[in-house]
Amino acid sequence: GAVVSQHPSRVICKSGTSVKIECRSLDFQATTMFWYRQFPKKSLMLMATSNEGSKATYEQGVEKDKFLINHASLTLSTLTVTSAHPEDSSFYICSARDPQTGVGETQYFGPGTRLLVL
Amino acid sequence: GIQVEQSPPDLILQEGANSTLRCNFSDSVNNLQWFHQNPWGQLINLFYIPSGTKQNGRLSATTVATERYSLLYISSSQTTDSGVYFCAVGRGSQGNLIFGKGTKLSVKP
Repeated sequence: GAVVSQHPSRVICKSGTSVKIECRSLDFQATTMFWYRQFPKKSLMLMATSNEGSKATYEQGVEKDKFLINHASLTLSTLTVTSAHPEDSSFYICSARDPQTGVGETQYFGPGTRLLVL
Repeated sequence: GIQVEQSPPDLILQEGANSTLRCNFSDSVNNLQWFHQNPWGQLINLFYIPSGTKQNGRLSATTVATERYSLLYISSSQTTDSGVYFCAVGRGSQGNLIFGKGTKLSVKP
């Protein structure tokens, strides 16, 4: 089945630094990837839709200059949290659609990245 | 936007019991998926089911699109079934999903 990986799985950084999270589709090409954020014991909230070769589409309330998204290839999307602050600490999850082998519009999710900003 | 409501929010079962989880949504959708989030945070695809009924082992799901709800059935529950079950819906060509708040299931031995 379709596999999506994320790296790193866990990161701790100091306030003010930038952190890059990678999302890869391992066995399929994904023209569209999605980035979600999940706070403890809460649901997933869509942050942005990442389209290969074009600018990402951000959800209302998500700062595009704060959360930089790059989708430079059909298998890789990156999320960079710039000048991270403690309130950015969260669980970040990416997903991708496999238009070739996926059933309908099925999305496959990565294992997530836990970010802790001190 | 579309509202997604899941019930119950919490469910405690004895191993071997059956359960039904419900997902109501406020508008027509072209995508509905059920996920199980394990204790490590990984979302595991259970069903892609915008309409109809599907079964996979001890799990089955039914979506009645005209009445805007979906049900997830878990039979003969096991402790490994514990975790949070999310329903997510989508509409439009981009495919982005809107998640419910989840049902936290705890199966006791």
